[in-house]
Amino acid sequence: GAVVSQHPSRVICKSGTSVKIECRSLDFQATTMFWYRQFPKQSLMLMATSNEGSKATYEQGVEKDKFLINHASLTLSTLTVTSAHPEDSSFYICSAPYRGDIQYFGAGTRLSVL
Amino acid sequence: AQSVTQPDIHITVSEGASLELRCNYSYGATPYLFWYVQSPGQGLQLLLKYFSGDTLVQGIKGFEAEFKRSQSSFNLRKPSVHWSDAAEYFCAVGNSGGYQKVTFGTGTKLQVIP
Repeated sequence: GAVVSQHPSRVICKSGTSVKIECRSLDFQATTMFWYRQFPKQSLMLMATSNEGSKATYEQGVEKDKFLINHASLTLSTLTVTSAHPEDSSFYICSAPYRGDIQYFGAGTRLSVL
Repeated sequence: AQSVTQPDIHITVSEGASLELRCNYSYGATPYLFWYVQSPGQGLQLLLKYFSGDTLVQGIKGFEAEFKRSQSSFNLRKPSVHWSDAAEYFCAVGNSGGYQKVTFGTGTKLQVIP
């Protein structure tokens, strides 16, 4: 089946630094990928839709300048959390649709901002 | 707008007992429905999906779900729960056609006791 790889799985950083998270579709091409955020004991909230070769589409309430998304190739999307603060600590998960109808998810990245 | 309700936040069952996790959805057209499982600190794994056809859907790990349009429900069932089934379960609805935006329920945490 389709595999989506997400890296790193865990990152700890100091407040004010930027963190980049990568999402790769390993055995298929994905012109669209999705980024989710999951707060403790809550569901996944869609943050943005990453589009290869064009700007990402952000959900209402998500700061574009805080969460930079780059979809540079058909197999790679990156999420950069800029000037991270403790309130950005969360579990971030990406997904990519395989053959248009099923989302395959990465294993997630747990971000802890000190 | 599409939405999903999982009324049970936490469920405890004995190993070997049957399981039913409830899910109700709201969607204007025929929905794409999913059940995902998330183990602690892990990404999401697709258990099963419903797009059309037979309303009783079989998934992996012995799970099944039944789509009931009249009740706007897509409950997940398993006849005999194993200790390894302890995890968080998310019901989700996706818009039909094209690349989907998937909306998740708040999840049901399953605890399995010996």
